[in-house]
Amino acid sequence: GAGVSQSPRYKVAKRGQDVALRCDPISGHVSLFWYQQALGQGPEFLTYFQNEAQLDKSGLPSDRFFAERPEGSVSTLKIQRTQQEDSAVYLCASSSARGGAVEQFFGPGTRLTVL
Amino acid sequence: AQSVAQPEDQVNVAEGNPLTVKCTYSVSGNPYLFWYVQYPNRGLQFLLKYITGDNLVKGSYGFEAEFNKSQTSFHLKKPSALVSDSALYFCAVRRWSNTGKLIFGQGTTLQVKP
Repeated sequence: GAGVSQSPRYKVAKRGQDVALRCDPISGHVSLFWYQQALGQGPEFLTYFQNEAQLDKSGLPSDRFFAERPEGSVSTLKIQRTQQEDSAVYLCASSSARGGAVEQFFGPGTRLTVL
Repeated sequence: AQSVAQPEDQVNVAEGNPLTVKCTYSVSGNPYLFWYVQYPNRGLQFLLKYITGDNLVKGSYGFEAEFNKSQTSFHLKKPSALVSDSALYFCAVRRWSNTGKLIFGQGTTLQVKP
């Protein structure tokens, strides 16, 4: 595709439910990032993949959050036993390089609302 | 620790006037600096970046930014604002590392009035 896509765009979950958020990065991009954006705030880093390897998960707020990228392309962010404080927009970004100075390209985000 | 500050929650300018959106940063070592714009219900769009070299960088849609190492600032500028520039702007910093994660400021809403 032309850009990063995410699905679903909107998700409403009852407290305690598990959710799975999908990210399709730009084809060929080796680096993939997940960010969490709370209302009125800037995005905050959650986790980073280089191909299929999860190299940094320092931003995951609890062990209820889990991310994977098994084939080095599509990624899924899973949140178990959702809580109200998990309500936010979850952004996925990809870039063409392993590090360096290349910019990240962001998807439209998934807005998660936990009731 | 890395951090970014955008001291203004909102900036208001009249169409045709110059605009400045301020950003200061704190990072050890040489910074990589970025500006992104966010329109409602859309993801962040890359505007420009500073890596090294010329302190004045030019980006998309006529925007530019000036890197000032002594003041640890990276202010976004445009000589003549358009109503369509109204959006939420984020400054971000990244320290060279293997992970490349971005640290974002809290954002500044730019309102351009006709």
